Amino acid sequence: AQSVSQHNHHVILSEAASLELGCNYSYGGTVNLFWYVQYPGQHLQLLLKYFSGDPLVKGIKGFEAEFIKSKFSFNLRKPSVQWSDTAEYFCAVITNFGNEKLTFGTGTRLTIIP
Amino acid sequence: DTEVTQTPKHLVMGMTNKKSLKCEQHMGHRAMYWYKQKAKKPPELMFVYSYEKLSINESVPSRFSPECPNSSLLNLHLHALQPEDSALYLCASSQVLSPGANVLTFGAGSRLTVL
Repeated sequence: AQSVSQHNHHVILSEAASLELGCNYSYGGTVNLFWYVQYPGQHLQLLLKYFSGDPLVKGIKGFEAEFIKSKFSFNLRKPSVQWSDTAEYFCAVITNFGNEKLTFGTGTRLTIIP
Repeated sequence: DTEVTQTPKHLVMGMTNKKSLKCEQHMGHRAMYWYKQKAKKPPELMFVYSYEKLSINESVPSRFSPECPNSSLLNLHLHALQPEDSALYLCASSQVLSPGANVLTFGAGSRLTVL
């Protein structure tokens, strides 16, 4: 079964700092990869997705992620964070085509200090 | 309309009660999902419906009973729940259940407390 690892459980940054959140998955075949964000008290929202093509994908709110197949990674980046980026970030993967199960990582809580 | 609407937002029920959670979307999506999210944990898949037919049941106890009466509606019927079933129940939908079209849109969730 596929699994997703997010090794950073809680990240604390100051405003304007650069961000990179790690995401690794375990599956040797074709993958669809996602980053979702859950702001405090709000519903899960899609930040960005990778299906195929350019491994560097850009999402909303200045976020981007890079798919590195050889490393089974899909790390999330933002060059300069804002206080409003404080949220829980979930990496997710679909690997078992024909039996579509979106599997989430354990999540990374991001706290931005003004 | 690009939303998934869930009602009620909050529900408190006793262990002998019968209640239902409702989910509605008008995006023309043909796949609908129920997820369960405990505090500070990721969402866990419970059920998937594709074209109103149950496609995936993740070995969920029978005290949870899903129903998809039409392509826009998804219900989760609750009966004889346990306190450990208290959680945020998330509904989601996607265009269809196939590669490249399975971007899930989530509702805000129904927060369930079982006393």
